[in-house]
Amino acid sequence: LAKTTQPISMDSYEGQEVNITCSHNNIATNDYITWYQQFPSQGPRFIIQGYKTKVTNEVASLFIPADRKSSTLSLPRVSLSDTAVYYCLVGTRGSQGNLIFGKGTKLSVKP
Amino acid sequence: DTEVTQTPKHLVMGMTNKKSLKCEQHMGHRAMYWYKQKAKKPPELMFVYSYEKLSINESVPSRFSPECPNSSLLNLHLHALQPEDSALYLCASSPSGTDPGYNEQFFGPGTRLTVL
Repeated sequence: LAKTTQPISMDSYEGQEVNITCSHNNIATNDYITWYQQFPSQGPRFIIQGYKTKVTNEVASLFIPADRKSSTLSLPRVSLSDTAVYYCLVGTRGSQGNLIFGKGTKLSVKP
Repeated sequence: DTEVTQTPKHLVMGMTNKKSLKCEQHMGHRAMYWYKQKAKKPPELMFVYSYEKLSINESVPSRFSPECPNSSLLNLHLHALQPEDSALYLCASSPSGTDPGYNEQFFGPGTRLTVL
């Protein structure tokens, strides 16, 4: 299973763009990258998933360089309500890899 | 209905009690999961059910016993728990039963369990 490494915490201010990078040096050819958001005392919520290059949805963008050894979750114009823990998961279709949560990044957005 | 519900929200039990946690989804998902989450730690996978059959058991102690009566319901039976089992227990579901590790998971709000 590919191991992921993320910063433990990040601080930002309202209205700024936030980029959270996840390192996954031993990602396998068939592995996908998935990000979840979790608020205190709630279950995680799926944000975005990708395999290569760039994926964008109404909430975030996911940038994956050609070597796929890292990925960056980009949150545009954050607000106070984006304060949460963000988890990066890497795993292969059909495996349990996407079920193993790393330590996550605690994002604190300040006014 | 696009949510996963869990009952009860909170549960306090003694070490000799028997209790059950319940999880329900009506999205037609064929994979369901139990996770355990301690404070300030990431969720830890406990069990995976795929097409109502147990497909993954992450070496969980036998005092935790999962059950999947049908495709919409998932139970976690608890017996003779220890205080260190106190945690938030999360249930999740995902659309495909054949690729549980790949599909987007929908999580419930969790049951906060305290073992005295």
